[in-house]
Amino acid sequence: GENVEQHPSTLSVQEGDSAVIKCTYSDSASNYFPWYKQELGKGPQLIIDIRSNVGEKKDQRIAVTLNKTAKHFSLHITETQPEDSAVYFCAASSYNQGGKLIFGQGTELSVKP
Amino acid sequence: KAGVTQTPRYLIKTRGQQVTLSCSPISGHRSVSWYQQTPGQGLQFLFEYFSETQRNKGNFPGRFSGRQFSNSRSEMNVSTLELGDSALYLCASSLDRSNEKLFFGSGTQLSVL
Repeated sequence: GENVEQHPSTLSVQEGDSAVIKCTYSDSASNYFPWYKQELGKGPQLIIDIRSNVGEKKDQRIAVTLNKTAKHFSLHITETQPEDSAVYFCAASSYNQGGKLIFGQGTELSVKP
Repeated sequence: KAGVTQTPRYLIKTRGQQVTLSCSPISGHRSVSWYQQTPGQGLQFLFEYFSETQRNKGNFPGRFSGRQFSNSRSEMNVSTLELGDSALYLCASSLDRSNEKLFFGSGTQLSVL
């Protein structure tokens, strides 16, 4: 089955700096890669997603890149702000496996003012 | 539009008891998935329902079960509770079977004493 590895597990940056979180997946059939942000006491919230037919997607300060050959994808947050502090999860799924999302272990991002 | 609603928010049970958790998806969403979140194991897929049918099941023992009603609301049940079942149980809904763009509730925090 699918396995998703996420690095780093913790990340501390200064406000205004960029943050990058990386994930690798094992199942070449995976074709959907969402990223979720989880704040304390809340459920994960979808922040951006990408399908396998696209190499990069941007939404304001966040972007996701996908390298299908290497089976890895990354989340890039630019101009970080204290409110970006949260746990971020990557995930992967393939439609032919019923769309079950397999999550990475999470990255705790801390943005210091 | 109301989000995914999970009840109760907190639950304390003792070993051997059983528990039922409830989830109301976003109006119009027909797919409901359940995940278990623990600090050590991250987000683990439990099962997914679409149109009252279980479409996918994770690697959990038979003590974990679920169902979906005709109005798409879902319940999950855990029988013969064990200490290791203490976790945050998250419900997520999506519009269709692809399970893209999952929307999560805030979860039910279950503590087993």
